[in-house]
Order: sequence, then structure tokens, then C-alpha cells
Amino acid sequence: DVKVTQSSRYLVKRTGEKVFLECVQDMDHENMFWYRQDPGLGLRLIYFSYDVKMKEKGDIPEGYSVSREKKERFSLILESASTNQTSMYLCASSLPRGYTDTQYFGPGTRLTVL
Amino acid sequence: AQTVTQSQPEMSVQEAETVTLSCTYDTSESDYYLFWYKQPPSRQMILVIRQEAYKQQNATENRFSVNFQKAAKSFSLKISDSQLGDAAMYFCAYRGATGNQFYFGTGTSLTVIP
Repeated sequence: DVKVTQSSRYLVKRTGEKVFLECVQDMDHENMFWYRQDPGLGLRLIYFSYDVKMKEKGDIPEGYSVSREKKERFSLILESASTNQTSMYLCASSLPRGYTDTQYFGPGTRLTVL
Repeated sequence: AQTVTQSQPEMSVQEAETVTLSCTYDTSESDYYLFWYKQPPSRQMILVIRQEAYKQQNATENRFSVNFQKAAKSFSLKISDSQLGDAAMYFCAYRGATGNQFYFGTGTSLTVIP
């Protein structure tokens, strides 16, 4: 069965802390994505990666960075967390362009920055 | 960038009745894929149904069907015989055939009234 897992369901951090959110998929997918989900705004793409060590900025990359050292793992890093980064973070993976297949989502991490 | 619009932030339906959720999109591409995703409260986002733009026939999955109008760039989701378990946030999404990125609408929150 297809699986995308995220390191934490709930996370509470303080302003200025460095925060790591980790995502692992077991489907050998080339593409991995990090989204931020806020009420009324839907899903906004932060970064995506189409291969190991490759990344592209999404719509809202400011304040975030990513790392993909292995195909199955994609990390989102908040270098210095701020209160406006309090949100639900969703990771997803998919096959590369040209495939009709869907994205598969992790359960989400609800991050609160105090 | 492609845009996906869901103009109904909230909808409600009586149990066993039928409801239609609307979605429009804007693209200059001729080949693409469309998706409806369901996100139950505090649960993982899952695929409900997908449609390939080159297929004229509307996709159907059990009680879920779509009305795909390519010229109008419209992709609505019909849920028949609504059940309590259908209560969720529903997201419409677009993916170009030559691209890696998915574009999401802002979601429609569906309430099912017993």
C-alpha cells in the first residue's frame, strides 16, 4: 500500500527556532512536494523536488528551505521560525511529468510557532 | 501559472441527496489532468476521482462522478446518495501533461446533514 509519512503530527516551537519537518515516501516517486495549508487559501506550494538534490521554488518559498539527499526523503526547514509560519504542512509525492497518476499525501504536520 | 477556482467555500447536503461541487480552471495547455481530492477532518488527503483532458467521457467512481466541460474549463464533482462519511473538505486540482506541479483550488467544505 502506498505510503507517505511525516515525522510529526503536531509540533510546537518558539520564534527564532530552527525547525525540521521530514517526509518519507515508499513508492520510489521522483517528485516530492511541500505545501502549506491555511483556511481559505487552499494548498500553496512551498518547494518541490523532481530528483535527488534537485529542487524548485513554489509560490511561497520565503522563509523556507528544503533538502533531498535521498530519493525517499524530503525535508522542509524553517531557518528561523516566525509566528506567521504557524500552519498545517502537507508533504506529497508523485510520479514525474507525463504520468496521469495522482499525488499521494502524508497526514500533515500542524506547526504552532509561539 | 494555471489557476483553479472553487467558488463555493461551503456546501451542505441532506443525507441520501445529491450535491454538486464546482471548479473552474484557467490554462493554455491542451493536454492536462484534473483531480478531486477529499480531506476528512483531521485525516489524510485522498484522491476521489481523476479525469484526463483528452478523454471526452466523464469519469465515474461509484457514487462520485464529474461533469467535465473542456471548452468551458469547468470540472464539477457530483456526489450521489450522500453519506455522513462524505463530510470533508474537497479540493479540485490541475496538472499539466508536461509539468510536475499540481495547482489546487481553495477548497469546498461539505457538510452532510443527517
